[in-house]
Amino acid sequence: AQSVTQPDIHITVSEGASLELRCNYSYGATPYLFWYVQSPGQGLQLLLKYFSGDTLVQGIKGFEAEFKRSQSSFNLRKPSVHWSDAAEYFCAGGNTGGFKTIFGAGTRLFVKA
Amino acid sequence: ETGVTQSPTHLIKTRGQQVTLRCSSQSGHNTVSWYQQALGQGPQFIFQYYREEENGRGNFPPRFSGLQFPNYSSELNVNALELDDSALYLCASSLASGGAGELFFGEGSRLTVL
Repeated sequence: AQSVTQPDIHITVSEGASLELRCNYSYGATPYLFWYVQSPGQGLQLLLKYFSGDTLVQGIKGFEAEFKRSQSSFNLRKPSVHWSDAAEYFCAGGNTGGFKTIFGAGTRLFVKA
Repeated sequence: ETGVTQSPTHLIKTRGQQVTLRCSSQSGHNTVSWYQQALGQGPQFIFQYYREEENGRGNFPPRFSGLQFPNYSSELNVNALELDDSALYLCASSLASGGAGELFFGEGSRLTVL
């Protein structure tokens, strides 16, 4: 069955430190992969997406993600975290043959001063 | 460009009642998907509408139903509400049907069932 897994329920990083949020997927073929961010009481906003081509994808707010087929992973990274990055982050996957985007359970990011 | 708007933002119902949630899709988008997000969980796919027809459905019972109108706005109806239906209901519009396109989300309707 198709699935997206985020192993970390929550992560705490210091402001200015680097960040990596993990995401693993299980699909029959290479899916379309997304990272969304949700601030408290808000809907989800797209950070970046991978469809094909270059495996390192740049997104908004200084985020990037790397697609690794051999590890079935699509981890999100940021070199220097700001306090405003504190939010819930969701990895998601979809494909052209299906009709839905599947979301992981999310990772809540806490940023300490 | 108008984004995705949902109404109402919050509502409280009692078990057994019925509820209708509304969504206006982003301008030019012909596909609407509905998701249920329980507290502390990721969004779970309910169903998708493309050009006024249901295009796919997740693992939700028939008491969850929907409509899409000619202007691509949409409704989610839930009958015989249960306590476990308490959640944030998210509407997302997109340019492409299926699971390949970017989803544009509204801020959600938070339903509490007592």
